Amino acid sequence: DAGITQSPRHKVTETGTPVTLRCHQTENHRYMYWYRQDPGHGLRLIHYSYGVKDTDKGEVSDGYSVSRSKTEDFLLTLESATSSQTSVYFCAISTGTGTQGYTFGSGTRLTVV
Amino acid sequence: TQLLEQSPQFLSIQEGENLTVYCNSSSVFSSLQWYRQEPGEGPVLLVTVVTGGEVKKLKRLTFQFGDARKDSSLHITAAQPGDTGLYLCAGKYNAGNMLTFGGGTRLMVKP
Repeated sequence: DAGITQSPRHKVTETGTPVTLRCHQTENHRYMYWYRQDPGHGLRLIHYSYGVKDTDKGEVSDGYSVSRSKTEDFLLTLESATSSQTSVYFCAISTGTGTQGYTFGSGTRLTVV
Repeated sequence: TQLLEQSPQFLSIQEGENLTVYCNSSSVFSSLQWYRQEPGEGPVLLVTVVTGGEVKKLKRLTFQFGDARKDSSLHITAAQPGDTGLYLCAGKYNAGNMLTFGGGTRLMVKP
């Protein structure tokens, strides 16, 4: 049982179209995060959530929105996809307590053409 | 924006060699973590260090946290092909829960 799953794993979309990526957890963790990973930039935080309907921006939030209507689901939406949003997107979860680490999903590879 | 620098960015070595990867910041960490990531997968937590000067060992991997809690190192003894992957350090600043990631060190161990 993975505990955290991302869907889809791969997606190709056209410039200007909206795209939604889904992160689902079965761990009941309070915190959920969306990162993007690009060569030379490491992992950069897009948005995060600290509870149902409680979200905040990360360092690269422009062009992205998120929603968390249930503890287990955290959605990332690209309102109008651009080629600069071609990336690998990772969702992560944590309890938010002390020195707990993050548990990451397997990622979604998104290509915007 | 707090920056976390890792070096080297790339490392290609032969099986059996030793290596050290470094993680540095100008700011003090409240805690620091090391992750390993394999192709097509998300990062997996290896260790968390909290106390300045702390040393933790995980089989052939030795993790050290600097006395001032601004830097950390990962030393691998007698590297094996199974150690190949991307190694990421990530730090928490102050009492917050947010992790800031370094750019990673891509390690390749050749048989």
